[in-house]
Amino acid sequence: SQQGEEDPQALSIQEGENATMNCSYKTSINNLQWYRQNSGRGLVHLILIRSNEREKHSGRLRVTLDTSKKSSSLLITASRAADTASYFCAIRGGSEKLVFGKGTKLTVNP
Amino acid sequence: GAGVSQSPSNKVTEKGKDVELRCDPISGHTALYWYRQSLGQGLEFLIYFQGNSAPDKSGLPSDRFSAERTGGSVSTLTIQRTQQEDSAVYLCASSLVRAEQFFGPGTRLTVL
Repeated sequence: SQQGEEDPQALSIQEGENATMNCSYKTSINNLQWYRQNSGRGLVHLILIRSNEREKHSGRLRVTLDTSKKSSSLLITASRAADTASYFCAIRGGSEKLVFGKGTKLTVNP
Repeated sequence: GAGVSQSPSNKVTEKGKDVELRCDPISGHTALYWYRQSLGQGLEFLIYFQGNSAPDKSGLPSDRFSAERTGGSVSTLTIQRTQQEDSAVYLCASSLVRAEQFFGPGTRLTVL
């Protein structure tokens, strides 16, 4: 299966701490994307990293990709209560569809 | 411009009834996707439309599910003879080719 598997399933940290979420997958990919979901409704795209890239940054977000290990990580630095959400990785292989993992539920305590 | 919109936002129906869910993608986006998300789960791909190409229906769970996209814009997902296991949030997304997907707020379907 192409499905990404996020780890951990749930993460609780204090405001100001860093949060790291991991995603592993099993097949070759074209790109890997991270999304955030608040309150179980619409998803917001965070970062897209292509298979030939190793690291990307966007504000307080840092994504790494290791294609040899078939894994990616999302780091949120200096977390805020507003970062509380579920985070999903999504795999794009040879087709146009994205295959999502089950997500990591992040709670940032004030 | 406006984002992806979906209607209705909530739908409660009785088992055995048919339902139609609507998605208005972002203007100019040629790709449109439907996903389903059950409580506490990840997104399950249902169907994908790209321009005038034949849709990728590989994710539809049964022949009770169908979708169409008229004029390359608005899409309707139809579920016939609904079952309780169809209860979920149905999410629509649109994108340019091979680009990030923009999601609508979803339709929460409850089958009693």
